[in-house]
Amino acid sequence: DTAVSQTPKYLVTQMGNDKSIKCEQNLGHDTMYWYKQDSKKFLKIMFSYNNKELIINETVPNRFSPKSPDKAHLNLHINSLELGDSAVYFCASSPDSGSGGYTFGSGTRLTVV
Amino acid sequence: GNSVTQMEGPVTLSEEAFLTINCTYTATGYPSLFWYVQYPGEGLQLLLKATKADDKGSNKGFEATYRKETTSFHLEKGSVQVSDSAVYFCALIWAGNMLTFGGGTRLMVKP
Repeated sequence: DTAVSQTPKYLVTQMGNDKSIKCEQNLGHDTMYWYKQDSKKFLKIMFSYNNKELIINETVPNRFSPKSPDKAHLNLHINSLELGDSAVYFCASSPDSGSGGYTFGSGTRLTVV
Repeated sequence: GNSVTQMEGPVTLSEEAFLTINCTYTATGYPSLFWYVQYPGEGLQLLLKATKADDKGSNKGFEATYRKETTSFHLEKGSVQVSDSAVYFCALIWAGNMLTFGGGTRLMVKP
């Protein structure tokens, strides 16, 4: 199926650990994104990336880093996890950076204990 | 900067009731406007969109009209179903920037 897929779906880890969330899209889209959704459902953009440019939301701690091995993948790596990092993280993609027609993955629920 | 404001939820309705979820925006130009829906345990799905003033987006019985004069994009549906229970997000995009979402409105429809 054509889609945006994220793994894992659930991730429970201890404070101070380093973890990665993987994202892959087979839609042929040029741009990929990471969003963080907090417990009140508020969505915050973290990163936008295409093969030319990485845009980082300046409020995102530098413990978070996107890594893109190729156009179809944008993984999220998090160092030194903190309790406040607990949230649902969504990957998304779009055909270009301006259309707004994003396709979202089903989310990764990260719980830091 | 650009921002989106939605009415706070939850909105609780009986089946077949009329739905309105208010959305207003602030933007430096003329953005494209969207409604996304998030069903429990899932990611967001595009519900409808409008790219210029007076455009009406529609899908699955939902409608929203781009009102430049009131900077609004209210979501409406004439007769809601239990299956419409979800969180609804209004969003905008402008000049190639990233999609900016409102805070979301939870809709609960009771049989």
